[in-house]
Amino acid sequence: DAKTTQPNSMESNEEEPVHLPCNHSTISGTDYIHWYRQLPSQGPEYVIHGLTSNVNNRMASLAIAEDRKSSTLILHRATLRDAAVYYCILIVDTGRRALTFGSGTRLQVQP
Amino acid sequence: GAGVSQSPSNKVTEKGKDVELRCDPISGHTALYWYRQSLGQGLEFLIYFQGNSAPDKSGLPSDRFSAERTGGSVSTLTIQRTQQEDSAVYLCASSPRGGAGHNEQFFGPGTRLTVL
Repeated sequence: DAKTTQPNSMESNEEEPVHLPCNHSTISGTDYIHWYRQLPSQGPEYVIHGLTSNVNNRMASLAIAEDRKSSTLILHRATLRDAAVYYCILIVDTGRRALTFGSGTRLQVQP
Repeated sequence: GAGVSQSPSNKVTEKGKDVELRCDPISGHTALYWYRQSLGQGLEFLIYFQGNSAPDKSGLPSDRFSAERTGGSVSTLTIQRTQQEDSAVYLCASSPRGGAGHNEQFFGPGTRLTVL
């Protein structure tokens, strides 16, 4: 699987937007970009995914670079509940599609 | 609606004992995954079930680990002769099979296994 690179940690203030970057320079044409997050002592939670176009859902937005070598997860208004480790992963849409998490970005949200 | 449930939430066992961990996936989800996560570590894939197909067991770390899925729904992960290195959080996830790239996985809360 192609690798992703994320900053180890980021900080934000409550109710401010947060932009979480992810680099995936070796992405292939069949790789989907997925984001999951894991709150303390909980199982991972799906956030959003996309292939080429930007995506929006109730939780977040995903901005994908035109060359697809990077993407940004956007939380429009951070809340304390958004404090978690965010994982950016690439998944080929064939086979078992198992998830493999790297170290992710630990997001801290200050009140 | 009901999410993925797992039981027990915590299990403490002695080295050498067998343990069974249970997962109830979301109704109608045909794909089911078992993962484990050691303290501060990433996610380690263990086994994958998809419908009536033979399971993908390529992630099981040893022959002490086995899993089954009955009736395409409930799954049980069994660890025989547990070792201390088996201590981890065991996570189950299920997924619907939809269109291209639609493989969002829904996770249960996990079972924390401690082998003394």
